[in-house]
Amino acid sequence: DGGITQSPKYLFRKEGQNVTLSCEQNLNHDAMYWYRQDPGQGLRLIYYSQIVNDFQKGDIAEGYSVSREKKESFPLTVTSAQKNPTAFYLCASSRGDYLVETQYFGPGTRLLVL
Amino acid sequence: DAKTTQPPSMDCAEGRAANLPCNHSTISGNEYVYWYRQIHSQGPQYIIHGLKNNETNEMASLIITEDRKSSTLILPHATLRDTAVYYCIVMLDRGDKIIFGKGTRLHILP
Repeated sequence: DGGITQSPKYLFRKEGQNVTLSCEQNLNHDAMYWYRQDPGQGLRLIYYSQIVNDFQKGDIAEGYSVSREKKESFPLTVTSAQKNPTAFYLCASSRGDYLVETQYFGPGTRLLVL
Repeated sequence: DAKTTQPPSMDCAEGRAANLPCNHSTISGNEYVYWYRQIHSQGPQYIIHGLKNNETNEMASLIITEDRKSSTLILPHATLRDTAVYYCIVMLDRGDKIIFGKGTRLHILP
């Protein structure tokens, strides 16, 4: 079955530690996205990538980094510079068509700071 | 900021139609209206989208006003499993990103 997978489902981070969240898709989509969701809030865009080896900052990129070495994969690193990392992180992908974009979401990773 | 406004919450009796409104008064001519929903602790789920004509699929119907400044998502026979936060979204240039507002929390009452 085609879809988006994120791992792990829960992740714990210690103070000063970098952690990496995995996102893989087998939908042959060109575009991939990372969002953050805080309790009771909507989704906010962290980074997005429209093509391999290229990515752009979203609205809240500070303290995060990404890479896009393969079409299928778009890992997100939460660095120690992110002072409030506890949140629900969602990865999404879309075909990258010009006019119509439907984004498909993964199940999410919940990050907790110890 | 989100380009849409939605009521923060709504109730609907099980088996009745749930009508969720959305205002998007600044929508531009080539922007689509999308609806997603998010059940607690899960990723958002695509429901339906449209440009200017009304749309229907197996999940819902989308009614867009003639001036395109507002729309209504209709769940024809709501069930308890439809309890979720519903997001109305206007797609930006090239669909590069989606701005999710706070959505409408829909409670289906037994």
